[in-house]
Amino acid sequence: EDKVVQSPLSLVVHEGDTVTLNCSYEVTNFRSLLWYKQEKKAPTFLFMLTSSGIEKKSGRLSSILDKKELSSILNITATQTGDSAIYLCAVRGQTSGSRLTFGEGTQLTVNP
Amino acid sequence: NAGVTQTPKFQVLKTGQSMTLQCAQDMNHEYMSWYRQDPGMGLRLIHYSVGAGITDQGEVPNGYNVSRSTTEDFPLRLLSAAPSQTSVYFCASSYMTGELFFGEGSRLTVL
Repeated sequence: EDKVVQSPLSLVVHEGDTVTLNCSYEVTNFRSLLWYKQEKKAPTFLFMLTSSGIEKKSGRLSSILDKKELSSILNITATQTGDSAIYLCAVRGQTSGSRLTFGEGTQLTVNP
Repeated sequence: NAGVTQTPKFQVLKTGQSMTLQCAQDMNHEYMSWYRQDPGMGLRLIHYSVGAGITDQGEVPNGYNVSRSTTEDFPLRLLSAAPSQTSVYFCASSYMTGELFFGEGSRLTVL
């Protein structure tokens, strides 16, 4: 059974800080790893990492996949209060079809 | 483009009642799924479907039924509601290997 563990579970920082969120996984025949941001409502897509695309960047957010260590990190630089959210990591395996298994999420709070 | 539409947004049930959460998508996605989200437990997969006429169980299927008669619709049925089913429910869809698009969620309370 696929498994995703995220750390830390919660994090409080000040505006301007840089944060690193961690995601480790166990999956049969890895296909992809996805990051989502969830504010008050539905999760919104951030990045998808695959064997052919192990680094993604968008503005102040970036993510790297380490297939050897079965993990990924999500970096946020120069944090803003609007970055406060739950960040979710999910994995998809070749044998699980299109199923995505999610971790518990990291609750990030950015204080002014 | 409406994306993924869920109804109702809020529902209060009494123990033992049944109800259906509706989900529709207009992106011609093959894959559709239902998750529940509880505090500290992330998103847990209830049921999913890879196409019309095909459904399968996820991690927490007990007490729920689904059907997929069309590509667009994937309703979730609670047969006999229990307080343990109090949760926020998300419907989501995607192409087979793509990003998952979520509906806005349905908050269900079972008394």
